[in-house]
Amino acid sequence: EAGVAQSPRYKIIEKRQSVAFWCNPISGHATLYWYQQILGQGPKLLIQFQNNGVVDDSQLPKDRFSAERLKGVDSTLKIQPAKLEDSAVYLCASSLVIDNSPLHFGNGTRLTVT
Amino acid sequence: GENVEQHPSTLSVQEGDSAVIKCTYSDSASNYFPWYKQELGKRPQLIIDIRSNVGEKKDQRIAVTLNKTAKHFSLHITETQPEDSAVYFCAASKTSGGGADGLTFGKGTHLIIQP
Repeated sequence: EAGVAQSPRYKIIEKRQSVAFWCNPISGHATLYWYQQILGQGPKLLIQFQNNGVVDDSQLPKDRFSAERLKGVDSTLKIQPAKLEDSAVYLCASSLVIDNSPLHFGNGTRLTVT
Repeated sequence: GENVEQHPSTLSVQEGDSAVIKCTYSDSASNYFPWYKQELGKRPQLIIDIRSNVGEKKDQRIAVTLNKTAKHFSLHITETQPEDSAVYFCAASKTSGGGADGLTFGKGTHLIIQP
């Protein structure tokens, strides 16, 4: 089966600019997650969707980050305006809506803010 | 919220020896504990997981143990090989009847296999 697709693979922007990341989950996976992985750390959950509804966005910095999942399939994560500390890999993951269903990760987008 | 602590941050072992990585969690409601392997520049990949109704699970050279009372779980890799070199992350989550909550990850262990 095709895996989780993410684009772009790399992005370099200046602080205060905006950026958007795209994710296409595995077909049939109703749950979608966005994680932020800062260098040397474990992934941190930013937001979780089930279909097109938000399940958990408690760790999303809502003053600058936004995410949507229109039609319950693809998702975009946006940062506006970016700060230096936003430099990280942004990982998208998806899973089935079944208890303890494994998360499948995409290859991520490496963001560098200068 | 959940907090997952992972130790050690770096582990160097001789090829063929065993490696053990330990994690503790804070939320007694957590009931799902996966382990992910992440090679440099690549995505995390699930290598084994355990649910709270099981104390131990084994898959070839990899095993995971869970102690619910003490709220800790461990990854054991036997007969280590060079391709085991990577960063390993433990994680925890709880289900809420309609699917899993997002995973809370530990900070990772850089496992180095010395030839």
